Amino acid sequence: AQTVTQSQPEMSVQEAETVTLSCTYDTSESDYYLFWYKQPPSRQMILVIRQEAYKQQNATENRFSVNFQKAAKSFSLKISDSQLGDAAMYFCAYTPPSGGSNYKLTFGKGTLLTVNP
Amino acid sequence: GAVVSQHPSWVICKSGTSVKIECRSLDFQATTMFWYRQFPKQSLMLMATSNEGSKATYEQGVEKDKFLINHASLTLSTLTVTSAHPEDSSFYICSTETGVSYEQYFGPGTRLTVT
Repeated sequence: AQTVTQSQPEMSVQEAETVTLSCTYDTSESDYYLFWYKQPPSRQMILVIRQEAYKQQNATENRFSVNFQKAAKSFSLKISDSQLGDAAMYFCAYTPPSGGSNYKLTFGKGTLLTVNP
Repeated sequence: GAVVSQHPSWVICKSGTSVKIECRSLDFQATTMFWYRQFPKQSLMLMATSNEGSKATYEQGVEKDKFLINHASLTLSTLTVTSAHPEDSSFYICSTETGVSYEQYFGPGTRLTVT
């Protein structure tokens, strides 16, 4: 079974600084998708960034980028120029590319990010 | 992106009663929807996969007779918590598959409080 591990229950960062959230996963699949989701106090899940395992290039979305190390099964999220609105719970998630009901996501336990002004 | 709504956003019910939560895909026809449960300060736990026109697939340890799921149309899935008890109090979130990059869009969630 696939597992997703987030080893940092809580992290904090100063506004405008950079922070990296860690995620490791375990799978026997060679092709899969990885995601970072953000859950602010409103509890609405918001997709931050996605990475396709067959793509070697790290995904980036504005201030958010990932460091995807497939051999090490590591998928960290870097937030640059942190803003107060980035404060949230961040979940790393994995899904195999089987489609249909196998779209289901496996989530890590989450990292609570605090942004200090 | 696809918009997913849930109703109600918050419900309080008495122990022993049943409560229905609706999940609607507003601009996307979803053959597959997912139901999650989230306790405070914890991660999302998948309860079941809802398939339009067929029976839901429940995760191990989830009581299918207690958590009834109906996916009667491509835009609506419902979760009914039957004979609710205080331990069923939780945050319930639905999501839809989008057919794009295996991404899911999430509803805003429903807070259930059983007194």
